[in-house]
Amino acid sequence: DGGITQSPKYLFRKEGQNVTLSCEQNLNHDAMYWYRQDPGQGLRLIYYSQIVNDFQKGDIAEGYSVSREKKESFPLTVTSAQKNPTAFYLCASSAAVGGTQYFGPGTRLTVL
Amino acid sequence: QKEVEQNSGPLSVPEGAIASLNCTYSDRGSQSFFWYRQYSGKSPELIMSIYSNGDKEDGRFTAQLNKASQYVSLLIRDSQPSDSATYLCAVTTKTSYDKVIFGPGTSLSVIP
Repeated sequence: DGGITQSPKYLFRKEGQNVTLSCEQNLNHDAMYWYRQDPGQGLRLIYYSQIVNDFQKGDIAEGYSVSREKKESFPLTVTSAQKNPTAFYLCASSAAVGGTQYFGPGTRLTVL
Repeated sequence: QKEVEQNSGPLSVPEGAIASLNCTYSDRGSQSFFWYRQYSGKSPELIMSIYSNGDKEDGRFTAQLNKASQYVSLLIRDSQPSDSATYLCAVTTKTSYDKVIFGPGTSLSVIP
């Protein structure tokens, strides 16, 4: 089945730790995205990638980093510099930037 | 002015009624428009996309686009309790790329 997978579903982090969220897609999409959603809020773009080995900052990139070494994979690292990381993180992909985005199931990160 | 606006709700309708969800956007150059449904604790799922003025129907859902008024709506006919969710409007806007901007969402509750 084609789709987007994210792991883990739930993640707990101690303050000061870096954590990496996984996102994999088998839709053969060029573009991938990371969003953050806080309770009762809309989606805020963290990073996006239009093509392999290229990525750009979104609206709230501070404290986050990404890589795009393979077309299928776009991992997100939440660093200790992110002061309020507790949120629901969503990965999405589209055939090209600006196209219809399809979402993974999300990772819920909680900082203890 | 926010780029994509939606009534936050909650919008309550009785089962079997028509639910009307509205979205306005600020960029006159926007070309692509999307409606997503998001159940509590889950990721957004695409309902439909619309690109041309007028109506587009898919089952019980009808999207309506009026670019002159910068307005897009989603009608849900014969509303069911399973339609209770948050509905996100998304619009592309020209920046350095075709950026998709998500609205804050409208919470819909269908009362049996």
